[in-house]
Amino acid sequence: AQSVSQHNHHVILSEAASLELGCNYSYGGTVNLFWYVQYPGQHLQLLLKYFSGDPLVKGIKGFEAEFIKSKFSFNLRKPSVQWSDTAEYFCAVTLNNNNDMRFGAGTRLTVKP
Amino acid sequence: EPEVTQTPSHQVTQMGQEVILRCVPISNHLYFYWYRQILGQKVEFLVSFYNNEISEKSEIFDDQFSVERPDGSNFTLKIRSTKLEDSAMYFCASSEGQGSLGAWETQYFGPGTRLLVL
Repeated sequence: AQSVSQHNHHVILSEAASLELGCNYSYGGTVNLFWYVQYPGQHLQLLLKYFSGDPLVKGIKGFEAEFIKSKFSFNLRKPSVQWSDTAEYFCAVTLNNNNDMRFGAGTRLTVKP
Repeated sequence: EPEVTQTPSHQVTQMGQEVILRCVPISNHLYFYWYRQILGQKVEFLVSFYNNEISEKSEIFDDQFSVERPDGSNFTLKIRSTKLEDSAMYFCASSEGQGSLGAWETQYFGPGTRLLVL
């Protein structure tokens, strides 16, 4: 079945550790890829997005993601996390000419001070 | 920076009652969406709306649900006869465009309405 998979349900890191959150999708064809973040008590906010061009995408707050088409992956990275990065992170996909945004289950990140 | 707003933030209702969830999309956006997230589960697409009609809907969006843009600013989701399993966080989103237009299709989300059906 077509889906978006986030491999890690809960990740716990210490401040300054490096972060990589996995995201794989199983849709064929051209996709648009997104990472959203939801800080505690707040709404979904766009971190970064990929539509075309350079597969390494830089987003806000020092986050980046790399689209690897051959692996159907769009992993989120940050070289050094901060306590304020504690949040839930959602990978999402839309297909071209399609409004239906499919979300992964989310990864909860806890950063210990 | 313009934002999507939603009211109410919380709603408690009795099973079988009708509820209307309200959203004000970003003003120059043309596409509007509703999603829901049942506690502990994925965010799920419900419906998208463009040019005063539904453009796509998921299998969740059955006859109990309807959407409307009653005026130039509001976008509403109505659940006609709520069921216990309708308890969820409901998110509204909007985008300038859709699909192959690329950057236009980035969806911006509201803060959500938490619906509890008793």
